[in-house]
Amino acid sequence: AQSVAQPEDQVNVAEGNPLTVKCTYSVSGNPYLFWYVQYPNRGLQFLLKYITGDNLVKGSYGFEAEFNKSQTSFHLKKPSALVSDSALYFCAVRDDSNYQLIWGAGTKLIIKP
Amino acid sequence: EPEVTQTPSHQVTQMGQEVILRCVPISNHLYFYWYRQILGQKVEFLVSFYNNEISEKSEIFDDQFSVERPDGSNFTLKIRSTKLEDSAMYFCASDTGQSSGANVLTFGAGSRLTVL
Repeated sequence: AQSVAQPEDQVNVAEGNPLTVKCTYSVSGNPYLFWYVQYPNRGLQFLLKYITGDNLVKGSYGFEAEFNKSQTSFHLKKPSALVSDSALYFCAVRDDSNYQLIWGAGTKLIIKP
Repeated sequence: EPEVTQTPSHQVTQMGQEVILRCVPISNHLYFYWYRQILGQKVEFLVSFYNNEISEKSEIFDDQFSVERPDGSNFTLKIRSTKLEDSAMYFCASDTGQSSGANVLTFGAGSRLTVL
């Protein structure tokens, strides 16, 4: 069965430092992987996706994610964090049986000035 | 930029009452979804809707839930007899249905339902 895991409930990073939000997945076929962000009192917003091709995917707001097939990971990264990046980040994988997204539990990212 | 709009932003209701949550998806989108997020927990898929019928639903989406697209623009979620555990944030989402946009959902801001 497809699944996705976000091992960290919260990640704290100082402004200007690089950030990584971790995601690992389990799929039976080729993975379709996504990152969404939820700012306070807002709905989720699409950040980026990996379907095929280059392992490094670039998305909105300067974020990128690296697909690593051997480690079954799709970690979200940004070279220099901003306070405004503080939000809840969700990793998701597409379920090949019904094409719906399976969501991770979310990681709260806190960027401190 | 096109938005998915949801009303009400917050509804408080008594247990056993019927609730209707409304959504206006992006006009050229073809797939519509309802998700819920219980406070502090993960986002859960409820139902997807395409071509005027349910295409997928989760175990959560039991007989107490129904969806409708009554007038070609609104997309509603009805809970017939609310329970305390229905208290959550309910998100509507839509996508184009095209393969290039597959699973790239645009979400509304959510409707917070509080059942007392």
